[in-house]
Amino acid sequence: EIVLTQSPGTLSLSPGERATLSCRASQSVNSSSLAWYQQKPGQAPRLLISGASSRATGIPDRFSGSGSGTDFTLTISRLEPEDFAVYYCQQYGSSPPRGTFGQGTKVEIK
Amino acid sequence: EVQLVESGGGLVHPGGSLTLSCAASGFTFSSHDIHWVRQPTGEGLEWVSAIGTAGDPYYSDSVEGRFTISRENDKNSLYLQMNSLRAGDTAVYYCARGTYCTTTSCNNAPFDIWGQGTMVIVSS
Repeated sequence: EIVLTQSPGTLSLSPGERATLSCRASQSVNSSSLAWYQQKPGQAPRLLISGASSRATGIPDRFSGSGSGTDFTLTISRLEPEDFAVYYCQQYGSSPPRGTFGQGTKVEIK
Repeated sequence: EVQLVESGGGLVHPGGSLTLSCAASGFTFSSHDIHWVRQPTGEGLEWVSAIGTAGDPYYSDSVEGRFTISRENDKNSLYLQMNSLRAGDTAVYYCARGTYCTTTSCNNAPFDIWGQGTMVIVSS
């Protein structure tokens, strides 16, 4: 079973700064099966990125995803106040259907 | 509006049972894999179970043998029967939409629609 490890655990930044979040897999992951989610307190997760780099509908272009193999990155180019949240990476599959999550990275206001 | 709405959460004693429901609307429910994901308070997301469009069930190791997932396509509904509940099962449970399948193929997809969650507390 693939284990996803996210780093750092917490990222303290100011609005306007660039955020770089890492997701490392214990073995190679098909890029088409890597997603990123954002979760704010008291809310369900929201899909940001699928296929490692494709933004979901309605997601601003300040969010971008990259990577392949075992190393993936979510970048927020300029943090807006509403971007302070917890971010999860996920490997998803359809055969069989399942979804393994990383432990999350909290982006907090510095 | 495309939507998933969970219900059925509550307080249950250790060893007890509970059934969660997830009502879908605004999309062709029968054509999607549907998942259950849980989140203990203050912790991360854990995939729990999924059901394919053919009704094939899948479980995480932590719930295998205790939880049963099912679906009723004519009611656009998903269920999670939870037995032998433990304190470690305490969490918010979300249902989420996954892969879309036609009669001939499936298009691997992430969890793009989530419900608001329902809280399950296992405590004496």
